Amino acid sequence: DAGVIQSPRHEVTEMGQEVTLRCKPISGHNSLFWYRQTMMRGLELLIYFNNNVPIDDSGMPEDRFSAKMPNASFSTLKIQPSEPRDSAVYFCASSLPGVNKNIQYFGAGTRLSVL
Amino acid sequence: GESVGLHLPTLSVQEGDNSIINCAYSNSASDYFIWYKQESGKGPQFIIDIRSNMDKRQGQRVTVLLNKTVKHLSLQIAATQPGDSAVYFCAENSPSNTGKLIFGQGTTLQVKP
Repeated sequence: DAGVIQSPRHEVTEMGQEVTLRCKPISGHNSLFWYRQTMMRGLELLIYFNNNVPIDDSGMPEDRFSAKMPNASFSTLKIQPSEPRDSAVYFCASSLPGVNKNIQYFGAGTRLSVL
Repeated sequence: GESVGLHLPTLSVQEGDNSIINCAYSNSASDYFIWYKQESGKGPQFIIDIRSNMDKRQGQRVTVLLNKTVKHLSLQIAATQPGDSAVYFCAENSPSNTGKLIFGQGTTLQVKP
């Protein structure tokens, strides 16, 4: 199993530009989570999906952030327009349904730098 | 102004010694707990989990202890190796039991050769 796949691994962009982060969950997993990790705030849950439906987006910082999951094998997190304070490592994680739903498997992350 | 980052607790141990990493959780209604290891430049990796109907669970070189009375969780690593150097996070499941986890701030483990 390839695990959770995130792309790109690194992204450097200028303030005001649109940024799109991508995630492919593990096949068969029905929940997908987007996290942001910074030195200031640690690991924060932004949004999560269950069966492609957004369940809780209370962690999304503001309207500049949006996430979609058009099908079971793909999700995007978009920031438009990006700001320097969005610089962080963004992780995607997925989990199985049923009794193991609490074990989340993380991708390697996307390191975003907004200049 | 001066920026203040998270001050992660740090545990420094000698290679070969046992390590104990502690965690206090917040919600007495949580019934599932999990430990993750995050190495530099990587995503968090599942280590071991425990349900609230257990006090102890053992894995390979790791043991998790749960004390529900004081809402305390610990991770014990036997014969700590340099490869164990990482940040360790505990997490509890959300009381809504939707699969959402609530993560702690993390503890840095440094293993001295």
